[in-house]
This record gives sequence, C-alpha cells and structure tokens, in this order.
Amino acid sequence: GAGVSQSPSNKVTEKGKDVELRCDPISGHTALYWYRQSLGQGLEFLIYFQGNSAPDKSGLPSDRFSAERTGGSVSTLTIQRTQQEDSAVYLCASSFGLAHETQYFGPGTRLLVL
Amino acid sequence: KNEVEQSPQNLTAQEGEFITINCSYSVGISALHWLQQHPGGGIVSLFMLSSGKKKHGRLIATINIQEKHSSLHITASHPRDSAVYICAAAKNKLIFGTGTLLAVQP
Repeated sequence: GAGVSQSPSNKVTEKGKDVELRCDPISGHTALYWYRQSLGQGLEFLIYFQGNSAPDKSGLPSDRFSAERTGGSVSTLTIQRTQQEDSAVYLCASSFGLAHETQYFGPGTRLLVL
Repeated sequence: KNEVEQSPQNLTAQEGEFITINCSYSVGISALHWLQQHPGGGIVSLFMLSSGKKKHGRLIATINIQEKHSSLHITASHPRDSAVYICAAAKNKLIFGTGTLLAVQP
C-alpha cells in the first residue's frame, strides 16, 4: 500500500500568514507524529496522536502551533502568524502503536517564511 | 546535556571500511530507533530494538540497556551508505540525537 504522504511538498509564505500542512498516514496506523527539522538542526518532536487519546502536545514550540487529527486518519498541522524561525521541514510519521513501534516517515513539507 | 548523544558528529570513511556510530542516552526508554536520512531525501527507519542485536544486510545494531548505549555498524561500507544516521530514544515519543553525517569515499 501507499506510504505516508504529505502536502504540500513545498510552501513559501509571508511572515504573519497562517499555513496548513497535511499528513495522510498509512492506513490502519493508529499513531501519528509531527516533527520539525530546521536547517542545520536535528529532528524535534512536535505532537503525537494515539488512537482516541488526548494528543501529546508537549513539543509544540508556541501557541501559534496546533494540530488536529480527524477520524483517526488525516492530520493537519496549523501554524498561525508564521515567523521566519518557523522555516523548516515538517515531517509526519505514523506507526501501529506506541513509540517503540517502527515509524514510517512521510517526505516532509519544506516551509519557507519570508 | 542532551538526553541522546551521538558520536562522531561527522565521519569520513573509505569504501570497504567497517564503520561504527555510537549513541548514548540518559533516559529510560522502551526502545531505540536508528534512522537514515539521505541528502535531500526522506527518513527511513533502519532498526528498532529494545535488547540485544539486530542485523539487516550489511547493517548491524546493538543495544546495551544497562549501559544505556547503542551502536550502529556498517560492514563493507559503500558510497551509497553516505547519509545522516540518527538514533532516537523511544519513551512515549522519540527523543532524537543530533545525527552523524557519514561520507563514504570510493
């Protein structure tokens, strides 16, 4: 079957605008993760959804960031009032369960805030 | 101090060499992941292990839970192995090391 897909693949926006990034996980995967990789930096956890449980939002850097997962499948990461420091590659991953399961990564969305 | 430390940060090897990348962590984990990221490419999960040793082709990963240490070995390295290798400690989420940039020269 298809892997994790993300859209758009690239997004250029102006400072202050809102952006929405989409992730389609592998069908049947109950866990979905969002990560960020800034230029020259390592991977950074943002948020984690597991089934119907409340999401783990502990990695979100500010209240401008939010995410939702509708119907236990597709997820949207929203960044409001974007700042230049939000420029990064945003990666989504999914797995069958908890963090000790193999995660399958999407290709990422490269966000550039001008 | 980072919860997950990798060494070396950069590694250059000649084709055919045996390569070792090390990962130490300071947190309690349920598993440890090794990931591979090619330049401009996506991330691929290589191994997920919670004890002992796993082997896949020329890649071997080991973990010592008591010492909180894991190693990734590449035997008979090849230029196509050139990539960033990342270890990540799994608690209820992944905590990433900073990555090791490997360049294998022909």
